[in-house]
Amino acid sequence: DTGVSQNPRHKITKRGQNVTFRCDPISEHNRLYWYRQTLGQGPEFLTYFQNEAQLEKSRLLSDRFSAERPKGSFSTLEIQRTEQGDSAMYLCASSFAGLAETQYFGPGTRLLVL
Amino acid sequence: AQSVTQLGSHVSVSEGALVLLRCNYSSSVPPYLFWYVQYPNQGLQLLLKYTTGATLVKGINGFEAEFKKSETSFHLTKPSAHMSDAAEYFCAVSRFGGSQGNLIFGKGTKLSVKP
Repeated sequence: DTGVSQNPRHKITKRGQNVTFRCDPISEHNRLYWYRQTLGQGPEFLTYFQNEAQLEKSRLLSDRFSAERPKGSFSTLEIQRTEQGDSAMYLCASSFAGLAETQYFGPGTRLLVL
Repeated sequence: AQSVTQLGSHVSVSEGALVLLRCNYSSSVPPYLFWYVQYPNQGLQLLLKYTTGATLVKGINGFEAEFKKSETSFHLTKPSAHMSDAAEYFCAVSRFGGSQGNLIFGKGTKLSVKP
């Protein structure tokens, strides 16, 4: 069990550019979550997958955001036409679906949009 | 709808003193409640969780929390603070209860421990 990993750990981009983040969950976990955390706030739910299926998307996930989990393993989160308001820490978590599942979080990707 | 309120964005205690971090929740279904800790530049780590049954929950690193339905509270305590406890702590409720996944977090409480 190597834990949840996220890449890159840091990303600086210019407004209007596209960025993509990757999350590798714990291997046996079938659920994968994306959260966003801004300064002084707790994590806010963006979307989650069970295996390959994207089961829920938050209203926070505008049409500039897209997430995939093509083979039910790793996931990518893409932000198109980034805006300064997208600057945040993007957290990935994985879990094994079940009663009171525990979500295991990765270290996050910190995005700064200039 | 579910929500979480953490009272106090910053708490400072002396080493060896009692740690008390407050969390109140609002839930339309029986809640599943969690406390996570976040150290600088690290992901969130689960301290403990309440599902059903015993209302006093023991977690890692000497932390415990008590679910009080009448007070809609789930406060986190530790009898004696250690310097290594300095971190940010988040209370969370499972959005739909049970296994329905995504968590709703409070804004967090940053704990400082003075020598």
